[in-house]
This record gives sequence, C-alpha cells and structure tokens, in this order.
Amino acid sequence: DAMVIQNPRYQVTQFGKPVTLSCSQTLNHNVMYWYQQKSSQAPKLLFHYYDKDFNNEADTPDNFQSRRPNTSFCFLDIRSPGLGDAAMYLCATSRDIGANSPLHFGNGTRLTVT
Amino acid sequence: GENVEQHPSTLSVQEGDSAVIKCTYSDSASNYFPWYKQELGKRPQLIIDIRSNVGEKKDQRIAVTLNKTAKHFSLHITETQPEDSAVYFCAASGEWNQGGKLIFGQGTELSVKP
Repeated sequence: DAMVIQNPRYQVTQFGKPVTLSCSQTLNHNVMYWYQQKSSQAPKLLFHYYDKDFNNEADTPDNFQSRRPNTSFCFLDIRSPGLGDAAMYLCATSRDIGANSPLHFGNGTRLTVT
Repeated sequence: GENVEQHPSTLSVQEGDSAVIKCTYSDSASNYFPWYKQELGKRPQLIIDIRSNVGEKKDQRIAVTLNKTAKHFSLHITETQPEDSAVYFCAASGEWNQGGKLIFGQGTELSVKP
C-alpha cells in the first residue's frame, strides 16, 4: 500500500559521478519535498515543488537540483556528489502546505559515495 | 524563520513507565505541530498532531499538549512498550502563505527497556 515510492532503496555512486534519485506518489498531492537526513539528525529540507513551482531552500548547495515532470514524479539530481553528501534522502508529499496537510514520507534512498 | 528545539536527545525508560519529550518553537505564527516516529532504517511516520486552536490531544497511549503562550509542546507516551523504541521528531509549521514549511526538531532517541 506504499503511496510514496522511492527508488532505489540503496544507491552507491562514485565521488563526482552524477546520480539521480527518484520518487513517485499515488496520492495526487500538490506538494513534493526532498529532505536530506544524516545519521542521528533531523530531516533537512532541500527544496519542494508546489505543483510546478520550484522552491529552493537558501542553504541548499547548487550541487543539488530537482525535476518534477508531472504530478506523480519528482527527481533529485546530485551533479557532483561529494563524501559529505552520503545520507538518507527522503521524499515526502502533502496535499497542501500548512496546518491541514501532514507529510507522507517515502522509505528513503540511502546514498553512499565512494 | 522557524526554529524548533527538542529535548532530551536521548531518553531511556523501563517498560510500563511514561516518557515525555518536549519541544519549543520560535515563530508565534506557527499553528501546526506534528510528531513523527522513525524506527531504525525506516521512514518517519506521523503518530499524532495538534493544531493551535487545541491545547491537548490524545490517541490511546499517546498524547500531545500545546502551550501557545510559552511556545512549547510535548509528547507524552504512557505505559511504554519495547516497540515504542525509536527516534521521535517534533515539528512546527505555519500556513503556506506565511512560509509554512515543516521545520523539524533534532530528534529524541527513545529506548524502552523490557
């Protein structure tokens, strides 16, 4: 009954080699988010899409990009992964932003950079 | 912007005891306060939430209280069980037109000892 699906669950990439993580949703939610979570830390918001409108967090490195070709899919592109980018990447969706719209998380993609 | 502080960072209790986790927030415009439970290697899952027009909400063994004046909210788990062991994150957000993205606390690792 997974409603936010992330692929792959585990991804290994080499230092500097571009990598793309994918997320799809069956909830038809307006908002899709990408969070980065490092060990024992809170999820950190990288950016979100409200429909087609892209919203970047001020401290998200330029190395991170995102695409949302349609309502159901959203991609996270890391152009030149560094060792510090190794983390769990969580995709989430919500119907809207704010008090009546809880986040629904995917199972995450754990990225290893060698 | 919003800042959420969460305490304690780790909490160990005996099975059957109660556990309390506290969070404070900085933005008085925040009006939505969810709590997420994240088991090891899994995605965060919403366990309870409260909106600013309510002071307390209960769901079986879990309750959340909100003090808007003091800008703090707490998670209470009674009759703890080993399966309650996980990392718990509080979060706060406002309405979307007020920049209402979800901001997480740093997390509390709860360990329930049989």
